[in-house]
Formats: sequence, structure tokens, C-alpha cells
Amino acid sequence: SSELIQDPAVSVALGQTVRITCQGDSLRSYYASWYQQKPGQAPVLVIYGKNNRPSGIPDRFSGSTSGNTASLTITGTQAEDEADYHCNSRDSSGNHWVFGGGTKLTVL
Amino acid sequence: QVQLVESGGGVVQPGRSLRLSCAASGFTFSSYGMHWVRQAPGKGLEWVAVIWYDGRNKYYADSVKGRFTVSRDNSNNTLYLQMNSLRAEDTAVYYCARELQIGFAYCFDYWGQGTLVTVSS
Repeated sequence: SSELIQDPAVSVALGQTVRITCQGDSLRSYYASWYQQKPGQAPVLVIYGKNNRPSGIPDRFSGSTSGNTASLTITGTQAEDEADYHCNSRDSSGNHWVFGGGTKLTVL
Repeated sequence: QVQLVESGGGVVQPGRSLRLSCAASGFTFSSYGMHWVRQAPGKGLEWVAVIWYDGRNKYYADSVKGRFTVSRDNSNNTLYLQMNSLRAEDTAVYYCARELQIGFAYCFDYWGQGTLVTVSS
């Protein structure tokens, strides 16, 4: 089955821009979706499809894909953005889904 | 508003069984594929299983195939996960999630709050 690779940890200064990446062969066929998860809480969808934000997600969150790499970009990072971020896609078989290992974002 | 509420978690001995439920409300349950996703303590998310909107197709992660069974009751808006032959490595918070599909974009747009399953003797 496919796998998605994420950097375990990323840090960013308050107000700066950060990009979190997710790499995998399945991303050549399916868009990634991105989830924010804060301690003790369920994941929340922040980006899906080419670059779509659910209602209520700030426009500082954006997504993109190039080849086998999907990226989540946070522009003007806020303290409340400190969280774990997980990418996900349908795998190459089409019948399974796969998550990346997650990236812990620290806002300095 | 869309709500997903899991129940049925608890402490169970290795080799025993447990059934989780996910009660859905606020949307037409029978129109959506539904998933189970789990998260072991301190670990990332792991996809577990999917069941199509009509229950006709079901797929499982290799780690649970042959031991777990996903089902749904569209008349009662409830999703289930029957877990048999439980192992210590099945210890996790189990979430149910609704699938949203738009073209080649798939995502889990709503999640429950999760229910903790602990497999321990």
C-alpha cells in the first residue's frame, strides 16, 4: 500500500509563513487533504482538493500540489496555529486511504 | 448541524471483542461513505476502514483486515465497528468520520469526538 511522508516537526516565527509538505506516489492521482489537530481534540479539516477551505477556516491556510508532493502553507502564522498537521489521500489502489505521520508545528 | 458521536470504547483483554458505534445526525446519513480512523497514544492518525453509502462495499487497512468488520444501519443513522481478536496494538482513540468527495478530491469533513479503546490484561 502507499505511504505519505511528512517532516515530524517544523517551527515558525509568529507572523511568518510556513510550508508543511507531504510526499507520496498517491498524490499523483488524488489530492491531499489536511487536518489540524490540537491536543486532546479531534482532527479538523483545513484544506481539501486543489485548494479549498471549509467554512470557518481562515484564509491564511492554503494548499498546493506539485508532482508527488502536497503542501500546506500558513501565511502570517498565529499562535493558535500551533498544532499537529496530518495529510491524507486515497491510496493508489483507490480502495484504501492513507495518512502521513503528522507534522508538529511550533510557533515561536 | 452535523454531529457524529462515538460510543462503546473501554478496557478489554487481548483476544476479546468490542463493538463501537457512531451515531450520526444533521445530514442524510445514507448518502455518505463513512470511515473509521484511529490514533494510538502519542502517534499519528491511521485509517482503519471505509463503508460505502449503501453498505455494499467495505475496505480495511491491512492491520485490521480479517479481525474488524465495519457495518451501518441507514434506517437508524448509525455506523458500527466490530473488533474481534483485539491486540495491544489496537489500543487507540477511534474516530468515525464522514467522507466528502468532489471529483478527485476526497476528505473527511466531519469527525466525531472519538472513543478510547484500551486492550490490556
